[in-house]
Formats: sequence, structure tokens, C-alpha cells
Amino acid sequence: KQEVTQIPAALSVPEGENLVLNCSFTDSAIYNLQWFRQDPGKGLTSLLLIQSSQREQTSGRLNASLDKSSGRSTLYIAASQPGDSATYLCAVRQWNYGQNFVFGPGTRLSVLP
Amino acid sequence: DGGITQSPKYLFRKEGQNVTLSCEQNLNHDAMYWYRQDPGQGLRLIYYSQIVNDFQKGDIAEGYSVSREKKESFPLTVTSAQKNPTAFYLCASSMGLLAGGYNEQFFGPGTRLTVL
Repeated sequence: KQEVTQIPAALSVPEGENLVLNCSFTDSAIYNLQWFRQDPGKGLTSLLLIQSSQREQTSGRLNASLDKSSGRSTLYIAASQPGDSATYLCAVRQWNYGQNFVFGPGTRLSVLP
Repeated sequence: DGGITQSPKYLFRKEGQNVTLSCEQNLNHDAMYWYRQDPGQGLRLIYYSQIVNDFQKGDIAEGYSVSREKKESFPLTVTSAQKNPTAFYLCASSMGLLAGGYNEQFFGPGTRLTVL
């Protein structure tokens, strides 16, 4: 069964720092990997999606990489801002097990002004 | 304006009552999903449907039921058999894998259910 973990569970950084969030998965038979942002009491907002054949995707200050063979993805946030404070979740879509998405527990990020 | 709507935003249930959460999408997606989120935890899959008139149990289906009579709609009923239903419920949709493409998953704003 696919398991997804995220490290660290929580992170607090001063404004302006570059930071990296990590996502690991146990089964490399994935269709894609998606990074989300969740603000308190809200739904999930999609940030980046990486197909299994891709190595990375970029959107503005965000860059996500995927190493399928090692079961890892990283989300890089450049020049962090207080508005980046949220919980960040990664999810993998599987080829097996009903072709569903399996989510990590998330990393809670606080960017201090 | 395409997207996913969930209603109500807040729902209160008395012990022993069944309640139904609404989820509607106008993205023309084949697949729809229901997740449960508890404080400080990730999302757990309750039910999913890859096509109209078909749905499958997820990891925590006990005490819940769904229907998929229309492509746009995937309501979730929380029955009295669900022992601890207080949680945040999220509905999502995506294209099916057979459709190819990016298969990005989109989420609604969520329904917060509280048992009184």
C-alpha cells in the first residue's frame, strides 16, 4: 500500500528565506504528483503538478522536483513571504489501488515578518 | 466560471441523525472523491467514483454512503452508524486516467460537520 510522508511537520522561518519542503512515497508506480496549499478552514489549492515522466515544474517562486526512482519530491519556495504561511500537502496519483490519490500529512509553514 | 461547490459550509447534526453533504462540479470531470480531514491530520479517502453510476469504498467508508446518478453531482450521506463524524469534509474531482492529460485534482471549499 502506498504511503506518503512529509518532512518537516512544521517549519518557521523569517521572511525572505529560501526553503525546501520534502515529500516521500513508498511505491514508485505513480501517474503524477501534485503539491497543494491549504489555508486554515479552507479547501486545497493546487500549486504544481508533475507528471511521472517529468523531473520538475516551476510556477513563479515555486519549483517542484520529482525523483520517482528514489520516491522523493521537493517543493522549493524562493524568497518566502508572510503570505506563504499555510499548510503544504503533497499527493501522488497511483496506477494501482483504484488509481486514487494518496496524501501526505502536510507541512505547516509559518513565515515571520 | 468552472469549479466545485460544496454545501452547506457548516452543518450541525444531532446524535442518531443522517445528514447529506452536497458536492457539485461543472468541470466535466469523470472522477469525484470525498475526503475527511481531522485536525492536524492529512486527508483520508471515504469514497470515490470514476464514472457515473459507479463508486468504490475508500479507506474509511464505514458509516458513510454515496450516490453518483449524474456526472456533476456526488452527494455524501453521513449515517448514524458513523461513530465520530465531527470533521472537515472535502470533495474533489479530476479527469479519469483513461482521458490522459494532466489529471490535476481540484477541491471544493469544504463542509465542516459538528455533532452536537
